[in-house]
Amino acid sequence: GAGVSQSPSNKVTEKGKDVELRCDPISGHTALYWYRQSLGQGLEFLIYFQGNSAPDKSGLPSDRFSAERTGGSVSTLTIQRTQQEDSAVYLCASSSEVWTEAFFGQGTRLTVV
Amino acid sequence: AQKVTQAQTEISVVEKEDVTLDCVYETRDTTYYLFWYKQPPSGELVFLIRRNSFDEQNEISGRYSWNFQKSTSSFNFTITASQVVDSAVYFCALRRHGNNRLAFGKGNQVVVIP
Repeated sequence: GAGVSQSPSNKVTEKGKDVELRCDPISGHTALYWYRQSLGQGLEFLIYFQGNSAPDKSGLPSDRFSAERTGGSVSTLTIQRTQQEDSAVYLCASSSEVWTEAFFGQGTRLTVV
Repeated sequence: AQKVTQAQTEISVVEKEDVTLDCVYETRDTTYYLFWYKQPPSGELVFLIRRNSFDEQNEISGRYSWNFQKSTSSFNFTITASQVVDSAVYFCALRRHGNNRLAFGKGNQVVVIP
């Protein structure tokens, strides 16, 4: 597609349930990022994928969070046993090279009730 | 460590006024990249500009201009003759060369009053 696509746009889930958030990057972009934007917390780095290299998971807040990227394209961020503090907008971005600008998707707004 | 400071949390201006957003960064690296993004109410982060640390030329794009001053570690953004459509949150960000993550400032909420 023309831009980074994320689904779903909105997700409401019950506390304790697992959720999966999907990101489809710009075609040909080798780098893919997940960020989280919470109210009053700014933009927080979660995880980064670059080609076939091992992902940088250093930003994941707990072991309930995981992500994978299949075939160097689509990525899925999984949050297990969701908690209310996981409520945020989850943003995915991709870039053609590490040092170039990242293009963001519209985000998934996650609400844990 | 990298750090980006955007001190002005919310700025309100009357339409057609100019508005300048300050961005001050901290890094020990000699090669790095600076960015500005716009986040309108729809939520998507829109890329505006990238500036490499070795290129201190200022840039103008329509009503937008950027002033990069390495001596003061600042990368300020000016909107000239603001319009209501400029109402958004603007983020300044920094990336180290060879590093994958963007360090974002807290953002500036710009409200343009018609």
